[in-house]
Amino acid sequence: EMQLLESGGGLVKPGGSLKLSCAGSGFTFNSYTIHWVRQAPGKGLEWVCYMTSSSSSISYADSVKGRFTISRDYAKNSLYLQMNSLRAEDTAVYYCVRENPVLYGAKDVWGQGTLVTVSS
Amino acid sequence: DIVMTQSPLSLPVTPGEPASISCRSSQSLLYSNGYNYLDWYLQKPGQSPQLLIYLGSDRAPGVPDRFSGSGSGTDFTLKISRVEAEDVGVYYCMQSLQIPGTFGQGTKLELK
Repeated sequence: EMQLLESGGGLVKPGGSLKLSCAGSGFTFNSYTIHWVRQAPGKGLEWVCYMTSSSSSISYADSVKGRFTISRDYAKNSLYLQMNSLRAEDTAVYYCVRENPVLYGAKDVWGQGTLVTVSS
Repeated sequence: DIVMTQSPLSLPVTPGEPASISCRSSQSLLYSNGYNYLDWYLQKPGQSPQLLIYLGSDRAPGVPDRFSGSGSGTDFTLKISRVEAEDVGVYYCMQSLQIPGTFGQGTKLELK
């Protein structure tokens, strides 16, 4: 079964930092473009950032640009989201999401999400 | 950024009856290859979103055929031919033509 598993969420104070991890199983994780999508409590879905399989292309939402950094560790089949200068409005469940080129870029595998709470 | 607008935002449906959700984009999602880069996702209560439809009308693997997508350009529709109890949740359209990918506000389907 193809799965994505996020970890690293938690409670952090405004201005603080947190690093999320995403690990894949049941497929060749390193061969896929991976996105982060977040969902604030009771709200809709918001795209955060993505990184291609080769790391050649990276993009961020304006709301996180300059504060968040996405990276990959090919040896560990993992992807990370370093979040700095966190704000209350960053509070959300963060999903790691696979983009499938066979399905023309549709997001076909979603992790269970990890909750990030930014509060003093 | 491309703005996605869904309607209705709330959709009460009697089991066994059909349902329809509209999604409009602020720019055409029709790419030069002839495909519309519009996907539909369902987020069931307490779960992560799951892919239903890609390219506007192609069902994802394992998705029941009571779900269908249609439309082109800026106007799209998701239809459920006969709603079942397991279809309850929030439906989102998303454009994947441009970065940033953008979602509609979501349509909450509930049973009457």
